[in-house]
Amino acid sequence: DQQVKQNSPSLSVQEGRISILNCDYTNSMFDYFLWYKKYPAEGPTFLISISSIKDKNEDGRFTVFLNKSAKHLSLHIVPSQPGDSAVYFCAAKEETSGSRLTFGEGTQLTVNP
Amino acid sequence: GAGVSQSPSNKVTEKGKDVELRCDPISGHTALYWYRQRLGQGLEFLIYFQGNSAPDKSGLPSDRFSAERTGESVSTLTIQRTQQEDSAVYLCASSFTGGWYEQYFGPGTRLTVT
Repeated sequence: DQQVKQNSPSLSVQEGRISILNCDYTNSMFDYFLWYKKYPAEGPTFLISISSIKDKNEDGRFTVFLNKSAKHLSLHIVPSQPGDSAVYFCAAKEETSGSRLTFGEGTQLTVNP
Repeated sequence: GAGVSQSPSNKVTEKGKDVELRCDPISGHTALYWYRQRLGQGLEFLIYFQGNSAPDKSGLPSDRFSAERTGESVSTLTIQRTQQEDSAVYLCASSFTGGWYEQYFGPGTRLTVT
C-alpha cells in the first residue's frame, strides 16, 4: 500500500524555466510534508517542508504547495539550474507516528543547460 | 560540524553470510532511523529509535533483520543469513525531536549479496 506516490519517475526542463514536481498521498492523518533531494552516491538532503495547516511555503527558489482536499502537494523550482538535477523525494509524517516518515518513489529531475 | 556517517560504504557478501552495518548519528540527535532503497525504488522504512523508548521495528522485513542502538549514539543494523533480495542501499538518518521532523541522512551503505 503506497501511501505517498510520485507518479512521474522523471522530468526534464530547460535551465531558467520552472520545474514542477508532484506528489499525491492517501493518508488523511499525514500532518507534515517534506521534500528531499538526492544526488548519486549521497544520502538525501532536506530541502523544504510544510505543515498541513498551511497551503504554501517558500524558501528562495523553492516553493511547496499543499492542497489538502486533493491530497496533493507540489514542489516548484524557479528558475531551474543545472545543479538542481537530482532525484527528489516527497515524504510525509503521520501525526501519531512520532517522527517516522513515509517516502514516495522519487522523481529524477534533469535541468538542461 | 560532522554529519551522519555510515560504514562500510560498500559491502559485498555471499548469500547466507551475516552482515553488520554501522551508523554514527549527529551528536545531540535523539532519534535515529534506518531505511533501505532497492534499485529504482523509494526509501523503505526499517526501524526507528527514539531516546530510551522501545524502538519501532514495524518496518523490518523479516526476523533476519535486527538493529541496536546504544543510548543516543551509534547504531548497528544486522542482517543474518543474507539473501540476494537484501541487496540495496541502507540509509541511516537522525533528527532532533520536539517538533523537528527534518531527518539528516548519511551517505548509505551499498550492500550486494552474491
